[in-house]
Amino acid sequence: SQTIHQWPATLVQPVGSPLSLECTVEGTSNPNLYWYRQAAGRGLQLLFYSVGIGQISSEVPQNLSASRPQDRQFILSSKKLLLSDSGFYLCAWTPLDRPISGYTFGSGTRLTVV
Amino acid sequence: RKEVEQDPGPFNVPEGATVAFNCTYSNSASQSFFWYRQDCRKEPKLLMSVYSSGNEDGRFTAQLNRASQYISLLIRDSKLSDSATYLCVVNRFSGGYNKLIFGAGTRLAVHP
Repeated sequence: SQTIHQWPATLVQPVGSPLSLECTVEGTSNPNLYWYRQAAGRGLQLLFYSVGIGQISSEVPQNLSASRPQDRQFILSSKKLLLSDSGFYLCAWTPLDRPISGYTFGSGTRLTVV
Repeated sequence: RKEVEQDPGPFNVPEGATVAFNCTYSNSASQSFFWYRQDCRKEPKLLMSVYSSGNEDGRFTAQLNRASQYISLLIRDSKLSDSATYLCVVNRFSGGYNKLIFGAGTRLAVHP
């Protein structure tokens, strides 16, 4: 069966520090991968999506970047965090041949920038 | 206008009640629709897909009205464990790819 792992679960970082969040999927090949952010009391905002290694599309301009160095690995990064980067970051995947099937989410990373 | 709009609630209902949530979407080209459930401080989990003919899964019934661009979720015989935020989700096709767009959610609190 397929599983998705995300870490760390919680993170407190000072403003201006770098960020690296990792997501991996097991039990499938060539998944579509997504990064979402949920600010407190708000809906999920799509940040990045990827349909293959090295293929990243950005939804909104921001202080973040994403990379996909391996087929089942998706990384969210920032060089310098802002207070507004605080939120609940969620990685999700869908099968390659069913990109608009329901997403399966990882357990999320709760980031607080102080 | 938000792409997916929901009443944020909260809906406070007693156990055993029937409760309905509504959602409207702005993109008439959307073709896939879902309801997700999100517990406090947890990731969203797929509750059910929504089909044009309407569909039911136990106590949950989902309806889609394409003409009005309206989706609904009905929960019968509410349980305490149904307390959560319910997210309405539609797809958007842009840049050559499909993505899912989430509403901000409707909060449900079921009390004894």
